[in-house]
Amino acid sequence: QSVLTQPPSVSGAPGQRVTISCTGSSSNIGAGYDVHWYQQLPGTAPKLLIYGNSNRPSGVPDRFSGSKSGTSASLAITGLQAEDEADYYCQSYDSSLRRVFGGGTKLTVL
Amino acid sequence: EVQLVESGGGLVQPGGSLRLSCAASGFTFSSYWMHWVRQAPGKGLVWVSRINSDGSSTSYADSVKGRFTISRDNAKNTLYLQMNSLRAEDTAVYYCARDGATTVTTFYFDYWGQGTLVTVSS
Repeated sequence: QSVLTQPPSVSGAPGQRVTISCTGSSSNIGAGYDVHWYQQLPGTAPKLLIYGNSNRPSGVPDRFSGSKSGTSASLAITGLQAEDEADYYCQSYDSSLRRVFGGGTKLTVL
Repeated sequence: EVQLVESGGGLVQPGGSLRLSCAASGFTFSSYWMHWVRQAPGKGLVWVSRINSDGSSTSYADSVKGRFTISRDNAKNTLYLQMNSLRAEDTAVYYCARDGATTVTTFYFDYWGQGTLVTVSS
């Protein structure tokens, strides 16, 4: 059971907008720790997608955006493309002094 | 270009030991905290352990505490994970990852290796 809660799956048609939620608690996201997002394409290692709630590393398209409010965060993907089909993980820090992940969300592009 | 290359995975019997390595290049290895993160087959990511830049401080997930030891050799730009008393539930792809923490509230992994598979089975 993951500390952060994500929906197991989301889907959308090409060109559409999808969002992935990440729900934590007062000991992690709600304690003020930032949320980060990773994309894991099939058979590959995770890749940093969003850091510090809403910042994109160099090379990440601006179709990807992140936000945080209270004990939750969201990843939004606009203009959905076939190559966005992947698993997405949120991650934060917990007052138990460890980094924690969500269970992951599989994005299917219809 | 930052590169992290893991090695040392394989098949090991329950109760056995294995040592993973992660060779780093493209950045000043001795300046960064480093981590191990694992992913069981078909499952999500789980943080395993971290070590500070000079190796003087380490931390472990409860599930591996007392069995795994993280270490580093800054002269060789290499991170290690010594895994003892291995169990079936330790079966996973093990990734090394660089620490990207920038503030007291921002702790993330900015670069990942390709992973090495550890299978614990008789």
